[in-house]
Amino acid sequence: GNSVTQMEGPVTLSEEAFLTINCTYTATGYPSLFWYVQYPGEGLQLLLKATKADDKGSNKGFEATYRKETTSFHLEKGSVQVSDSAVYFCALYNAGKSTFGDGTTLTVKP
Amino acid sequence: EAQVTQNPRYLITVTGKKLTVTCSQNMNHEYMSWYRQDPGLGLRQIYYSMNVEVTDKGDVPEGYKVSRKEKRNFPLILESPSPNQTSLYFCASSSARNTGELFFGEGSRLTVL
Repeated sequence: GNSVTQMEGPVTLSEEAFLTINCTYTATGYPSLFWYVQYPGEGLQLLLKATKADDKGSNKGFEATYRKETTSFHLEKGSVQVSDSAVYFCALYNAGKSTFGDGTTLTVKP
Repeated sequence: EAQVTQNPRYLITVTGKKLTVTCSQNMNHEYMSWYRQDPGLGLRQIYYSMNVEVTDKGDVPEGYKVSRKEKRNFPLILESPSPNQTSLYFCASSSARNTGELFFGEGSRLTVL
């Protein structure tokens, strides 16, 4: 079956630090990969996506590259801001079903 | 504005008192789904629907019912709520054409005493 494993949190960084949140997946076939972000008190919203191998998704300074050889989709940002504090979910979509990681809580301190 | 709307956003109820959480989307999406979010367990799928009158169980369907009589609506029914159903619930929808990107509602926090 499908599964998503992402870096356990919580992660605490200072403003302008570099962020990496690791995500690896298990799936048959060719899944689409997603990062969703959940700000406090809100629902999840799409941050970025990649639909095939070697695609790079990017949005709001965040990036992730679909690596089929390592079955990974790590989220990165070069300089985080306090407003990036949120819970980040890695997810895959395969054969009509979405599977989510457990979420990683990021706190950015001024 | 494209959105998924859930109601109520917050509810405190007692064991055994039937309740319904409504979900409506205005994007003409075929696919709709319910998830629950619990600390340390991430998001778990309860039920989903591929289209009108087509529903199926997700990973944790016990204690829940759904219906899909209209394309825009996908209510979640708790016939006899129990304390272990205290959770944060999310409805989501997706178009059959957009490779699985989900649009989420803002969530419904349910407490069962």
